[in-house]
Amino acid sequence: DGGITQSPKYLFRKEGQNVTLSCEQNLNHDAMYWYRQDPGQGLRLIYYSQIVNDFQKGDIAEGYSVSREKKESFPLTVTSAQKNPTAFYLCASSSGRQAEAFFGQGTRLTVV
Amino acid sequence: AQSVAQPEDQVNVAEGNPLTVKCTYSVSGNPYLFWYVQYPNRGLQFLLKYITGDNLVKGSYGFEAEFNKSQTSFHLKKPSALVSDSALYFCAVRDPGSGNTGKLIFGQGTTLQVKP
Repeated sequence: DGGITQSPKYLFRKEGQNVTLSCEQNLNHDAMYWYRQDPGQGLRLIYYSQIVNDFQKGDIAEGYSVSREKKESFPLTVTSAQKNPTAFYLCASSSGRQAEAFFGQGTRLTVV
Repeated sequence: AQSVAQPEDQVNVAEGNPLTVKCTYSVSGNPYLFWYVQYPNRGLQFLLKYITGDNLVKGSYGFEAEFNKSQTSFHLKKPSALVSDSALYFCAVRDPGSGNTGKLIFGQGTTLQVKP
């Protein structure tokens, strides 16, 4: 089955810890995105990558980091510098400017 | 800078009645526009898109949307609402000038509530 997979579905982080969210796609898409979703605020773009070994900051990149070493993978690290990380995180991929994005099922991160 | 606005936090409609979920956009050139639906604790599902051509586009589950360049709007519509249409709906825009694929920017979302 082609698709985009996020793991884990639920993640708990202690304050001061870094955590990494996984996003893998087998759709052969060049572009991948990370969004954060908070109630009443819609989806906000954290980082996006249009090609392997390249990525750009979105609107709320502070406290986050990414890598794009392989076309299939775009992991997101939530660092201790992110002061309010509790949110629902969505990964997406797309094949081109005119193409729709495909989304994973999301990771819900909670700080405990 | 590109942006998307969904002016209504919630839309309530009775089952069988027509529904409209509003979206306006701001981009520097001709936009690529998308509608998505989200069910609780799930990812987003694609409904339809406007790239070029006919201003009325048809999508999944009986939804359609009308592109209006003069009003910079892309409202989502359905002739007859179902209770199962109740969900969170997002409008999104991609600036065609922002690289190979570019940023995909979403509105704040509109909750659609269809009552029996």
